[in-house]
Amino acid sequence: DGGITQSPKYLFRKEGQNVTLSCEQNLNHDAMYWYRQDPGQGLRLIYYSQIVNDFQKGDIAEGYSVSREKKESFPLTVTSAQKNPTAFYLCASTSGQQTGELFFGEGSRLTVL
Amino acid sequence: AQKITQTQPGMFVQEKEAVTLDCTYDTSDPSYGLFWYKQPSSGEMIFLIYQGSYDQQNATEGRYSLNFQKARKSANLVISASQLGDSAMYFCAMRSTDSWGKLQFGAGTQVVVTP
Repeated sequence: DGGITQSPKYLFRKEGQNVTLSCEQNLNHDAMYWYRQDPGQGLRLIYYSQIVNDFQKGDIAEGYSVSREKKESFPLTVTSAQKNPTAFYLCASTSGQQTGELFFGEGSRLTVL
Repeated sequence: AQKITQTQPGMFVQEKEAVTLDCTYDTSDPSYGLFWYKQPSSGEMIFLIYQGSYDQQNATEGRYSLNFQKARKSANLVISASQLGDSAMYFCAMRSTDSWGKLQFGAGTQVVVTP
């Protein structure tokens, strides 16, 4: 079945450490996105990529980095510069066709100890 | 700038009853799209329904319908015949036509369906 796979589902890290969240899709979608969700809030856009080897900052890109070397993969690195990294991270993709709805992965919950 | 407002933080609804979730939006773009997503406790976001700003009719998908009032800038979700499995967070979101995937989300409404 086609879909988006995020790993790990849960992740703990110490302050000062970088951590990379994986996002893989087999939907053949060109565009991929990373959103952050904090308790009681909606999703906010971190980074997005509309084509391989190209990506743009979203609304809250500071302290994060991404790469897009393959169409299927869009990993997110949460760096030590991110002041409040504890959150739920959701990866999404879209074909850009028809309604253009986003398809989401199951998310990765990051906790900084 | 675009903005989505969901004023109901949470609500209870009895099984088999209908429930309306409020969503208002603000945008200066002439063309935009409105979405509703469901987020169960597992965390995954599930697409429910879409309404384009130029669509003449309100969108419907099974038990979900979108009450789109363009002049009032509202896009309320109606869930008919609620089921226990409808218990979840519901998010309203909006995008401009030229920004695929860049959705602006509301804060969400927690729905609890009771037997």
